[in-house]
Amino acid sequence: QQQVRQSPQSLTVWEGETAILNCSYEDSTFNYFPWYQQFPGEGPALLISIRSVSDKKEDGRFTIFFNKREKKLSLHITDSQPGDSATYFCAASEGTNSAGNKLTFGIGTRVLVRP
Amino acid sequence: EAAVTQSPRSKVAVTGGKVTLSCHQTNNHDYMYWYRQDTGHGLRLIHYSYVADSTEKGDIPDGYKASRPSQENFSLILELASLSQTAVYFCASRKTGGAFAETLYFGSGTRLTVL
Repeated sequence: QQQVRQSPQSLTVWEGETAILNCSYEDSTFNYFPWYQQFPGEGPALLISIRSVSDKKEDGRFTIFFNKREKKLSLHITDSQPGDSATYFCAASEGTNSAGNKLTFGIGTRVLVRP
Repeated sequence: EAAVTQSPRSKVAVTGGKVTLSCHQTNNHDYMYWYRQDTGHGLRLIHYSYVADSTEKGDIPDGYKASRPSQENFSLILELASLSQTAVYFCASRKTGGAFAETLYFGSGTRLTVL
């Protein structure tokens, strides 16, 4: 049973469009939600994160929208560039409240940006 | 400059054989983690450690052992490799406390094929 769900599994957009990646979770104790970006042949790297006390977090072209009541969040990539083509993982944890601060990852969304 | 280094980058093992995957970090981080990545499952936590000579079970520890002989080194051991353990394995480190304390820093992965 997946605690963190992502959709779609893959997404293709044209350069300049906005890509929208969705994520939902089940555990109401989760309070920290990072998104990791992974390029082929590399390990994931932190892209942007949000805590449950906020409903929006922006970093350049990347924005997280968070809805605590519905246990949903989304990552918006505006003005998508070919270099954004990667797999994006939504993750969740109880933050420093949990032993080991273990992150639970979704299955990822593969994004392809066509020039 | 890579702060988390995994070896080997790829390995082919025979069913029933012993496999050791190694991870070395120069981040001076207390926490180290082993994840496996499979298509359709995302990243799943196998074992983690927060101090040398101590390891903890993650979400899917069966069939794996871990060893943390020093702060810098963390190994994943498959005593009897099985076909189902074919996957890409990632090591990660995380610091304790301070800014970005919840960020995982991943290595580049080890692709393990069990035949």
